[in-house]
Amino acid sequence: EDQVTQSPEALRLQEGESSSLNCSYTVSGLRGLFWYRQDPGKGPEFLFTLYSAGEEKEKERLKATLTKKESFLHITAPKPEDSATYLCAVHNYGQNFVFGPGTRLSVLP
Amino acid sequence: DTGVSQDPRHKITKRGQNVTFRCDPISEHNRLYWYRQTLGQGPEFLTYFQNEAQLEKSRLLSDRFSAERPKGSFSTLEIQRTEQGDSAMYLCASSLQGGSTEAFFGQGTRLTVV
Repeated sequence: EDQVTQSPEALRLQEGESSSLNCSYTVSGLRGLFWYRQDPGKGPEFLFTLYSAGEEKEKERLKATLTKKESFLHITAPKPEDSATYLCAVHNYGQNFVFGPGTRLSVLP
Repeated sequence: DTGVSQDPRHKITKRGQNVTFRCDPISEHNRLYWYRQTLGQGPEFLTYFQNEAQLEKSRLLSDRFSAERPKGSFSTLEIQRTEQGDSAMYLCASSLQGGSTEAFFGQGTRLTVV
């Protein structure tokens, strides 16, 4: 069965303190790995798609990387507005997206 | 607004009542997904359509849940005889067909069963 785990469950950072979030996955056939941001009470907002090991994508203070077993979301010099839950999902050959439980990020001013 | 639209945003219902939610996907997207999310958890897959065909249903989807997508446009999710355990955020997403392309989510419908 396809599974996605994320760590840590929650992370508190000071503004400007860089860190990384981890997403580990086991999937029968990986078609793509996705990162989303979710604010409280809202739907997930798409951030990145990664397709193959070694691939990297960047957007503002965020950089996502992919290996054969896991993905990392690096946050450089975060700001309070980066506070959110970050979700990782894999797209398998069954055509649906399997999500992890998310990492709740709090960035303190 | 050309994003995914869900209606209603919030629904409070009494246990045992039926509820129906609507999702309007991004117009050129032919894949449509329904997910359920409870507090502190990631979205959980319920069902998936390609055009009007329902191609996959989660084993977790009980007989009280039914989804339709007539004419391959908007979709409805109906829950019959609601139970307190059905309280959750119901999320709809859509994507383009072909390869593995990202899905875009609506703002969700928050269901509370009292």
